[in-house]
Amino acid sequence: QVQLVQSGAEVKKPGSSVKVSCEASGGTFSNYAISWVRQAPGQGLEWMGGIIPVFGSSSYAQKFQGRVTITADESTSTSYMELRSLRSEDTAVYYCARDLVSHSYYYFDSWGQGTLVTVSS
Amino acid sequence: EIVLTQSPATLSLSPGERATLSCRASQSINSYLAWYQQKPGQAPSLLIFDASNRATGIPARFSGSRSGTDFTLTISSLEPEDFAVYYCQQRSNWPLTFGGGTKVEIK
Repeated sequence: QVQLVQSGAEVKKPGSSVKVSCEASGGTFSNYAISWVRQAPGQGLEWMGGIIPVFGSSSYAQKFQGRVTITADESTSTSYMELRSLRSEDTAVYYCARDLVSHSYYYFDSWGQGTLVTVSS
Repeated sequence: EIVLTQSPATLSLSPGERATLSCRASQSINSYLAWYQQKPGQAPSLLIFDASNRATGIPARFSGSRSGTDFTLTISSLEPEDFAVYYCQQRSNWPLTFGGGTKVEIK
């Protein structure tokens, strides 16, 4: 099964940006969507968007459109999620997750360990 | 956006008991629903997809079913490791959405 390893925790100021990485190993990277899901402290899960690396195009939840960019580097099997104009409500654990089915956004069967992003002045 | 409403918010049960968790969709999503388990400090893990298919390695005590827009996750006999939070997720319409979760706690 594929392993997803994310970059470390970040502390950011309001108004700044954060970029989190997610490196895949042990499986096929290009044909499976990598989604980004966040979880605020003590709260539920929220899908932000994703990318199917072989297609190169990203898809985003409308809530995050214009503020998030998800990319993928096939040469390093790494996906990146950049979130801009950070506010305190963006404090959350950010997960990357790989899809169960190739070339689709369906369900998430492999997850990264999560990256805590804290937004505080 | 499809809203998934999970109930109850908390379920207090003893090991060996049967757990029945509910997820109701705000509109038809066919059988395009998954269930995840999340333990404290861990990422979620996939249990069930397309309403009733167990993911790889998931024990048979976990089962899922559908009746219209109502979905049920059943744990036939709770093991100590099953006490966790459970989320449902739909993939029928964009954006993908999750329910608010049900916590299964030890009574």
